[in-house]
Amino acid sequence: NAGVTQTPKFRILKIGQSMTLQCTQDMNHNYMYWYRQDPGMGLKLIYYSVGAGITDKGEVPNGYNVSRSTTEDFPLRLELAAPSQTSVYFCASSSKRTTNEKLFFGSGTQLSVL
Amino acid sequence: QKEVEQNSGPLSVPEGAIASLNCTYSDRGSQSFFWYRQYSGKSPELIMSIYSNGDKEDGRFTAQLNKASQYVSLLIRDSQPSDSATYLCAVRVGNNRKLIWGLGTSLAVNP
Repeated sequence: NAGVTQTPKFRILKIGQSMTLQCTQDMNHNYMYWYRQDPGMGLKLIYYSVGAGITDKGEVPNGYNVSRSTTEDFPLRLELAAPSQTSVYFCASSSKRTTNEKLFFGSGTQLSVL
Repeated sequence: QKEVEQNSGPLSVPEGAIASLNCTYSDRGSQSFFWYRQYSGKSPELIMSIYSNGDKEDGRFTAQLNKASQYVSLLIRDSQPSDSATYLCAVRVGNNRKLIWGLGTSLAVNP
């Protein structure tokens, strides 16, 4: 199984540009998440989804948008990139079963906004 | 404000010793507790989860939960250099699937 796949791995954006971070999972997980991690900091939840067609804001949603049209895909859109969005972005997924809350993470996207 | 606190470290232990990592949380409604390991430049991976008071052992790892004192700890026995990483504590409050994360404790195991 591929698990959670994120693309791209690295990206440099200019201020004001837009981009989409792709995330797909092949484990048929209902729950999907987008986190950002700044150096020396913990994980901050940007957006999450409990199933296709359902998304909700996390702790730091400003400047981002998401959609969940299928169970597999959960892209994160950055509009008008700002230096404050320089970070490592992780997509994650988990099963709906309450007995298994393990988060499966993608390998991350290192984004720099200059 | 729900908080999860960890000592940032670095915690340095010699190879073969026991490493003890601690985490405190503020919300008494917290229900699920997790320890994730993150190697430098990599994504987090789950190493232990614990849901009820007491100890839970898995190989060289033991998670300890004390809900009355609001802390959860991770013990790593016979520490190996490959255990050198940042250990993230995460807590789920209530019935939603959102986790509150600590900042992590950096562990260095010296040969």
